Amino acid sequence: DGGITQSPKYLFRKEGQNVTLSCEQNLNHDAMYWYRQDPGQGLRLIYYSQIVNDFQKGDIAEGYSVSREKKESFPLTVTSAQKNPTAFYLCASSILPSVTEAFFGQGTRLTVV
Amino acid sequence: GDSVTQMEGPVTLSEEAFLTINCTYTATGYPSLFWYVQYPGEGLQLLLKATKADDKGSNKGFEATYRKETTSFHLEKGSVQVSDSAVYFCALIETSGSRLTFGEGTQLTVNP
Repeated sequence: DGGITQSPKYLFRKEGQNVTLSCEQNLNHDAMYWYRQDPGQGLRLIYYSQIVNDFQKGDIAEGYSVSREKKESFPLTVTSAQKNPTAFYLCASSILPSVTEAFFGQGTRLTVV
Repeated sequence: GDSVTQMEGPVTLSEEAFLTINCTYTATGYPSLFWYVQYPGEGLQLLLKATKADDKGSNKGFEATYRKETTSFHLEKGSVQVSDSAVYFCALIETSGSRLTFGEGTQLTVNP
């Protein structure tokens, strides 16, 4: 079945460490997105990519980095510069040029201790 | 810029009650509008969508009508069930856009 796979589902890291969240899709979608979800704040866009080897900052990119070396993969690195990294992270993908729907992964809950 | 505003939650209803979750938007063009649902600990699933004014999206008993004159896309269901308990997100994307803009989400709890 086609879909988006995020791994791991739960992730624990010590403060000051970088950590990379995985996102893979087999839907042949051009665009991929990373959102952060905090309680009561909805979804905020971190980064998005419309084509391989290209990506754009979203609304809260500081302290995060991404790469898009393959169409299927869009990993997110949470760096030690991110002041408050504990959150639920959601990856999504969509077709282009006209986005009619975004498909979401199951999310990764990151806890920094 | 684009924005979406949802009614404040949480919303608590008894089973078989009528549900309305308000959503209004601000956009410069003619956006497509969406409702997504998120069950506990999971990602978002598309519930319904509408791509032009006066369109009605519907799915699983939920409905929403794209009202351009009031810039609204309110979600309704005539009789909710316990299994409808979830967080509901309203979202939009501009005609030429490539990113979704989400509202804050509304937590719905349905009691037996």
